[in-house]
Parts: sequence; C-alpha cells; structure tokens
Amino acid sequence: DVKVTQSSRYLVKRTGEKVFLECVQDMDHENMFWYRQDPGLGLRLIYFSYDVKMKEKGDIPEGYSVSREKKERFSLILESASTNQTSMYLCASSWGTGELFFGEGSRLTVL
Amino acid sequence: DAKTTQPPSMDCAEGRAANLPCNHSTISGNEYVYWYRQIHSQGPQYIIHGLKNNETNEMASLIITEDRKSSTLILPHATLRDTAVYYCIAPLTYSGGGADGLTFGKGTHLIIQP
Repeated sequence: DVKVTQSSRYLVKRTGEKVFLECVQDMDHENMFWYRQDPGLGLRLIYFSYDVKMKEKGDIPEGYSVSREKKERFSLILESASTNQTSMYLCASSWGTGELFFGEGSRLTVL
Repeated sequence: DAKTTQPPSMDCAEGRAANLPCNHSTISGNEYVYWYRQIHSQGPQYIIHGLKNNETNEMASLIITEDRKSSTLILPHATLRDTAVYYCIAPLTYSGGGADGLTFGKGTHLIIQP
C-alpha cells in the first residue's frame, strides 16, 4: 500500500515563528502536493512539485514556500506564521496523472 | 482547465443507491474525472476515475454522459459508513504543465440516514 506520512498530526506555534511541515511518500511518486483545508472552503492547492527541485504555485501560495530536495520528501514552509494560517494541511502524492494518495493531515494552530 | 460543480449536500436512506452528480461542462478531451471521498478527520481517499466509458469497481460505479459534461457517482447500497464529503475533480496533465483542476472545492456532503 502507498503510504504518505506527515510528520506531525497536531502543531501549535506562535505568530512569527518559522514552521516546517514535512511529508514523505514511499512509492517513488513523481508528483507531490500541499493543500490546506478550511471549513466551508474545501481543499485548496498551495504548491505542488512534479520532480525533485521543481515546484509550481497552486491557487494560494502566498505566505508559503516549499522544498523538494529528494523525491520522497516534500516540505511546506511558513516563513513567519500568522493566525490566518491556522488550518488543516494535507499532503498528497501521485504517479503521473493518476490518483492522489493523501496523508492523514497536520492540524496547525497559530497563536 | 476543467472546473467542477457539485451540490453541497445530499441525503440517502441506508441500503438505497446514492447517486452523486458532478458537472464538468468545460472538460477537455484528455481530462479524466476523478472521485474522492473524505471521512471526518481523515485525508481524502480515491474512489474511482474515468474518461469516457462507465467504470465500476468494488467501491462504486461511475457514469459519464456521452458529451462528458457531467458524471454521476453511484454507491449501490449505501451504508452509514458512506457518510462523507465526496469530491469530483478533472485534473489536466500537470507534469511541468501547471496544476489546473487540482483544487477540490467544497464537494458534496452525503448523509446516509438509518
């Protein structure tokens, strides 16, 4: 089975802190994605990567950056966390244009 | 860029077939339609996908209209555990070419009534 693992299930950070959310997949998938999910807004794409060191902006990249130094790992970085970044963050991976496999999510609270 | 629209919520009686519609009127010829569902507090789970023909697997059936402008996900004998939010998306190829169609939107909240 494909496994997408997100490093932290729950995080609490303070405004202005730098936050790293890590995601690892074990199926050699070329594509990896970061979404955020907020009540009433569905899942919105932040960034995705289709290869190592490659990244493209999704619908809401502002305030975020990403890093993909190895194929299996995709990191989401909040350079200076703000309260409006309190959300559920979901990582996913896929092969080609196939189905997305999601992790369990990381619930971030910024105080 | 194929955007999809779905009703916000639906009810279905346990044991009945649940039919969830999705409109994707701007879909292009090479875009598949994918369905996922999300049970509370979990990541979305893939259900089924199709291009032109109807598809069936152990979880559901997918009916795509001949003009491909809409589709219906069918859960043939809904159970209480099928209560979830269901999403349809129609992603364009995105390996180096952008991520059109990969935003899931709000989906349909399906509630199975006992």
